[in-house]
Amino acid sequence: GEDVEQSLFLSVREGDSSVINCTYTDSSSTYLYWYKQEPGAGLQLLTYIFSNMDMKQDQRLTVLLNKKDKHLSLRIADTQTGDSAIYFCAEILPSGGSYIPTFGRGTSLIVHP
Amino acid sequence: DVKVTQSSRYLVKRTGEKVFLECVQDMDHENMFWYRQDPGLGLRLIYFSYDVKMKEKGDIPEGYSVSREKKERFSLILESASTNQTSMYLCASSLWDREAGELFFGEGSRLTVL
Repeated sequence: GEDVEQSLFLSVREGDSSVINCTYTDSSSTYLYWYKQEPGAGLQLLTYIFSNMDMKQDQRLTVLLNKKDKHLSLRIADTQTGDSAIYFCAEILPSGGSYIPTFGRGTSLIVHP
Repeated sequence: DVKVTQSSRYLVKRTGEKVFLECVQDMDHENMFWYRQDPGLGLRLIYFSYDVKMKEKGDIPEGYSVSREKKERFSLILESASTNQTSMYLCASSLWDREAGELFFGEGSRLTVL
């Protein structure tokens, strides 16, 4: 399949902002998603944005969407050590009779004191 | 509390053994998925199912098969395990519609093939 691109690592200091970037493939994607995976666990939906929005804010999280460039970003304000995890960007692509989420490779966020 | 339950968190098998990974969801979801997760490669889709007895190949189906006899249960089968199938396996489920990107994941099954 086509690739959703993310950088593999991001290291930030506690209290700073983190910005995780993603480039997706299908300009017709209706929803775009951010998932979080904590160590030893499965993925959990963190937030999502509908394609007719440019920005969505949810407490410390801000999602920015640039449809022209097919670029999605996740900003975490006041990053804490508990935010250390792998963050996956995902889009939905049609496949056969259904819609299949396609994930990026994940960005490992490391937060140090 | 909604749940996707994978039967085994950790398995160790020998090359050539048949391996069953079981996944059960209690949310009455139509879609179920099996992914494998490897460092630096992210999640790769093995198989998915959008209905009972229906299955579709994902990106890396070779060496795997699946079974969906009941809506709540989706099994991943390795007919003859090989060392390159050592990985973390993640099961997920979702509703059938365009919001199908909202996946609910199990905790994962870490398989080691010796």
